[in-house]
This record gives sequence, structure tokens and C-alpha cells, in this order.
Amino acid sequence: DTAVSQTPKYLVTQMGNDKSIKCEQNLGHDTMYWYKQDSKKFLKIMFSYNNKELIINETVPNRFSPKSPDKAHLNLHINSLELGDSAVYFCASSQDQGRPTGPIGTQYFGPGTRLTVL
Amino acid sequence: KQEVTQIPAALSVPEGENLVLNCSFTDSAIYNLQWFRQDPGKGLTSLLLIQSSQREQTSGRLNASLDKSSGRSTLYIAASQPGDSATYLCAVAHQGAQKLVFGQGTRLTINP
Repeated sequence: DTAVSQTPKYLVTQMGNDKSIKCEQNLGHDTMYWYKQDSKKFLKIMFSYNNKELIINETVPNRFSPKSPDKAHLNLHINSLELGDSAVYFCASSQDQGRPTGPIGTQYFGPGTRLTVL
Repeated sequence: KQEVTQIPAALSVPEGENLVLNCSFTDSAIYNLQWFRQDPGKGLTSLLLIQSSQREQTSGRLNASLDKSSGRSTLYIAASQPGDSATYLCAVAHQGAQKLVFGQGTRLTINP
């Protein structure tokens, strides 16, 4: 049983296009995240949602727009793709305690979406 | 601003050896510290979570320690096996920031 799933696994597209990545978790967690892993393998948080509410937006360009239709889903839409957007994007989830100030629980990651912008 | 550093960046050891991976962080105001492994082309798998009040956690051949006051954690792997080859990342859950801050990882290779 897949805990955190992402689609698609690979995404190759031209500059200027708009694309979406979908994420679903079946762990019953209340918090979901998007991370970006660059070519140097450095992993950095982009967004987090708790119970469909945006908690963290790490100064990501507004071309990136997350959407959480329900607790189990967090999608990422990217407008006007640029070369620098090429990276692996990971979705994750956790069961946290006492948002918005409580501690973060163990995070469970999806398999990643490798985005290549040509 | 919390910064997490992992040394060494890469490590290669013969099978069967015990080894230690290091992680340091600049701000001791943390909720917990988490260790992950990442296999090539895959997502991250959680290994251990140490709460800020704990000194160590164990899971099988893995033992993680935490010295919050000095801003350090170690991951000890006993009797290493080729299947342990992966990149190991540590991350701290910083108080008030509600996010994990990751180190850049240590790429571990266990040679048969």
C-alpha cells in the first residue's frame, strides 16, 4: 500500500508551459508539504498545508500555486515554467501536534517527480 | 537562521565495518531531529526521530544520538552491509518555524 503517492513520476516540458503535479496520502495525516531538491541534492521546503490551510510559503515565486482540496491531497501547479524550475519535487506528509506552533512529527515522503524544462 | 551541516559529504567503507555519520545544527531551539535515507532516484525514507528531550534512539543496527546543547547528532551504523549504501540526510524541526531544515547529506558506499 502506497503511503504518499505522486503523479507523474517524470515530467518533461517546454519553457513557458503550465504543468501540475498531484500528491495524495492515505496515512490520515493532517499536514502535507512540497519540497524541491535541486541538482546538488539540496532539499528545501516550498509549502506546507495543515488541514487545507497554508502554513508555510517559503518565498517561492508566485508562478507556483499549491492547492489542497482536502486533507489527503496537495497539488502543485506551476505557470510559465522556466529552466531553473528543473528539479525533483517531493511531496511529504506528517501528523503534527498542536498546529500552528506544535512540533513536527515524522515525515513520510513520496517517490518524487522529476521535472525537466527544456 | 537554522543551518544544518553534514560531514563528510561522501564516505566509502568495506562491508562489516561500524561507521558514524555526523550532523551539526546552529540553533539548539529544536523540537526534534530526524534521520532519513535516500536511494538513487527514490524518495526519502524515515529512519529515526529523536525528540529534543532524548539523548538517543535505536532501530536495529542504527543508533542516533543527540546533543542539543552542542548542536550535534550522530548516526551510528553497526556491521555495515552493501544494502546500506545510500545518501543519509539529517533534518531538524526548528521551534517556531514549523518546518524541517535539511543538511546536504552524506553519500555512503559500502564495498563488498
